[in-house]
Amino acid sequence: GIQVEQSPPDLILQEGANSTLRCNFSDSVNNLQWFHQNPWGQLINLFYIPSGTKQNGRLSATTVATERYSLLYISSSQTTDSGVYFCAGSNYQLIWGAGTKLIIKP
Amino acid sequence: NAGVTQTPKFRILKIGQSMTLQCAQDMNHNYMYWYRQDPGMGLKLIYYSVGAGITDKGEVPNGYNVSRSTTEDFPLRLELAAPSQTSVYFCASSRDRVSNQPQHFGDGTRLSIL
Repeated sequence: GIQVEQSPPDLILQEGANSTLRCNFSDSVNNLQWFHQNPWGQLINLFYIPSGTKQNGRLSATTVATERYSLLYISSSQTTDSGVYFCAGSNYQLIWGAGTKLIIKP
Repeated sequence: NAGVTQTPKFRILKIGQSMTLQCAQDMNHNYMYWYRQDPGMGLKLIYYSVGAGITDKGEVPNGYNVSRSTTEDFPLRLELAAPSQTSVYFCASSRDRVSNQPQHFGDGTRLSIL
């Protein structure tokens, strides 16, 4: 089955910094999503992005399907951005990566 | 508009006990999913349903059962609880299959088997 690898596993930044999170897939997928799990455990869908680039406020994502990777950019980080960021991809059932744990310090 | 509602939020079971985790959505979504999340890991699909009366296994179905008698409800049953089933369980829904629509998640049920 598809393997999903996320990097880095942990990231600690000061408020206001920018960050790039990466997601690599072992095989091509026709569905790729990014999720944020906040410190209280709630999961929020950020982007559905099987290819191309999307932006939503300070967050943007780019997927290069031919090279089997996706990037999530967070600009001007805020403490509320803390949590775990997951990518998940599939051709049928979503396969999730282990996540990047992001801590934003004030 | 409540979205996806899971009950209970927390539960402690003894080995061998059974219980049902409840999930309800009010968005008239056809697709519903049950995931488990172990510490430090991403989610793994247990079961999913494409509509009332139709269910199918996901990646880790052993030890669980589901039913889908209505569009709104998708309960998950543990028949003989085992310590390996200690996890956080998430229910999700989507209008269509995952490849087309984003998923909406409940707040999770934290289950401990002792």
